Amino acid sequence: AQSVTQPDIHITVSEGASLELRCNYSYGATPYLFWYVQSPGQGLQLLLKYFSGDTLVQGIKGFEAEFKRSQSSFNLRKPSVHWSDAAEYFCAVADHGSGNTGKLIFGQGTTLQVKP
Amino acid sequence: DTAVSQTPKYLVTQMGNDKSIKCEQNLGHDTMYWYKQDSKKFLKIMFSYNNKELIINETVPNRFSPKSPDKAHLNLHINSLELGDSAVYFCASSQRNPVGGYTFGSGTRLTVV
Repeated sequence: AQSVTQPDIHITVSEGASLELRCNYSYGATPYLFWYVQSPGQGLQLLLKYFSGDTLVQGIKGFEAEFKRSQSSFNLRKPSVHWSDAAEYFCAVADHGSGNTGKLIFGQGTTLQVKP
Repeated sequence: DTAVSQTPKYLVTQMGNDKSIKCEQNLGHDTMYWYKQDSKKFLKIMFSYNNKELIINETVPNRFSPKSPDKAHLNLHINSLELGDSAVYFCASSQRNPVGGYTFGSGTRLTVV
């Protein structure tokens, strides 16, 4: 069955430090992968997505993610974290393709705390 | 503005009441979804409609009834509300082939007292 695992429930980094949030997926075909961010009390904002092509994808707010098929991973990175990046981050895979539902399957989320 | 809009943003109600949440999208998408975010922030699909046809109905109590009058609208009606229904409900839309991504509404925080 399709699934997404985010191994880190909570991460704390210092402002200005680099960030990597881990995501592992289970999907039978080529996955459509997404990272979303949810600030406190807000909705979900798309950071970036991967469908095919270049395995390093650039997103908004200085984020990037790398798709590694051999590791079934799609880790999110940012070279220098800002205090405003403190939020909940969700990795997701789409159940796409003929006969599939099209639904988005989410990981459990990672809470990012940024220390001044 | 092109968006997914859902109303109301907050809903506080007593146990046993019936309530509805409305969702509208003007993105031209043909598929709409309802997700429930629980207190641990886990997001789980509840329903999905494609061109007014129900295509996903997860293991949701039948007190929850979605209705899609057209492909731009997907409403959620909840009967006999229970304390455990308290959550944030998100509406989303996409094309059936989600290569263009999914757009989420800002959520409805439902509190049952």
